[in-house]
Amino acid sequence: DTAVSQTPKYLVTQMGNDKSIKCEQNLGHDTMYWYKQDSKKFLKIMFSYNNKELIINETVPNRFSPKSPDKAHLNLHINSLELGDSAVYFCASSPLADRGYTFGSGTRLTVV
Amino acid sequence: TQLLEQSPQFLSIQEGENLTVYCNSSSVFSSLQWYRQEPGEGPVLLVTVVTGGEVKKLKRLTFQFGDARKDSSLHITAAQPGDTGLYLCAGRNSGNTPLVFGKGTRLSVIA
Repeated sequence: DTAVSQTPKYLVTQMGNDKSIKCEQNLGHDTMYWYKQDSKKFLKIMFSYNNKELIINETVPNRFSPKSPDKAHLNLHINSLELGDSAVYFCASSPLADRGYTFGSGTRLTVV
Repeated sequence: TQLLEQSPQFLSIQEGENLTVYCNSSSVFSSLQWYRQEPGEGPVLLVTVVTGGEVKKLKRLTFQFGDARKDSSLHITAAQPGDTGLYLCAGRNSGNTPLVFGKGTRLSVIA
């Protein structure tokens, strides 16, 4: 049973397109996150949700919009994709904000 | 923005050697975590340290949190090829703030 699952695993798309990445966790955790990992493997927080409410919205372009239909799901929608959006995007969850994270296996987005 | 500096950035050693990687910051953290990430996968939690001076052991891995809670180290004894991976430290200063990650140490253990 996958604890945090992301789909798709790979996503190749053209500049200007709109795409979504889905994330689901079956751990009963209250907090979910989106991180972006660049080509140098640096993980940077994008969004944090606690029980469907956005609690952190780091400085990311407003082309990125998170959606949480319930506390087990946190999807990421990206409008007007740019070359610089190419990266690996990780979803994660934690039971409480001060506990360890469980990460998904990532979505490798390539914008061409 | 809190910064976590990890060193070395890359480390290549022979099987059986010992090694230490470091995670340093000018900020105080309420807790610090270490993760290991393998290619094509997400980071996996190894340990959480919360008390200044705390030492935790996980088989051949020893983690230490600095007395001032600004730094941490990971020591691996008798490294094995299975230890190969990207080691990431991550800290949180308080409350609901999300984890801030260092840039990682890429370890390669050669048989």
